[in-house]
Amino acid sequence: AQSVAQPEDQVNVAEGNPLTVKCTYSVSGNPYLFWYVQYPNRGLQFLLKYITGDNLVKGSYGFEAEFNKSQTSFHLKKPSALVSDSALYFCAVRDIVGSSNTGKLIFGQGTTLQVKP
Amino acid sequence: GAVVSQHPSRVICKSGTSVKIECRSLDFQATTMFWYRQFPKQSLMLMATSNEGSKATYEQGVEKDKFLINHASLTLSTLTVTSAHPEDSSFYICSARTQGKGSGANVLTFGAGSRLTVL
Repeated sequence: AQSVAQPEDQVNVAEGNPLTVKCTYSVSGNPYLFWYVQYPNRGLQFLLKYITGDNLVKGSYGFEAEFNKSQTSFHLKKPSALVSDSALYFCAVRDIVGSSNTGKLIFGQGTTLQVKP
Repeated sequence: GAVVSQHPSRVICKSGTSVKIECRSLDFQATTMFWYRQFPKQSLMLMATSNEGSKATYEQGVEKDKFLINHASLTLSTLTVTSAHPEDSSFYICSARTQGKGSGANVLTFGAGSRLTVL
């Protein structure tokens, strides 16, 4: 079964510093990986995805993520954090059963990013 | 871009009553929508897959008679929490997959969520 893990409940970073939010995955076959962000009492907003192609994926709001097959990781990064980046971040993998894409997303536990001025 | 509208954003009801939450894809058609439930400071738990014109597919452990899902059109799915109890209080989020091509295509777009409080 597909799964993702976010090992950190919370990440603290000073404004202007680079940030990394970690995600590792476990899948059978090729992974379809996603990052979403959630602000308080709101739904999730899509940031970026990896399906195939370049390992470095660029997304919304200056975020990027690097797909690393050998380490089974898909860490989210940003070169310079903003206070407004403070939110809850979810890594997700598309569920595949056999060779069928169910369309469902399986989410990690979420990581709270706190950017301090 | 693709927008999923969810209504109501907040609802408070008495124990034993039923509550309906609507999920609409505003500028695209969605044959499939997904309903998630989120507890405070926790991840999203998939409840069911809503299929237009057919019965919903429920995840293991989710009571289908408790959480009624209807997907009557290509742009509307509804979740009805029947005979609600305080333990049903939660944040419910729907999503639909966009179509087309490009970086924003074929991804799940989420509604803003509905916070249900059962007294």
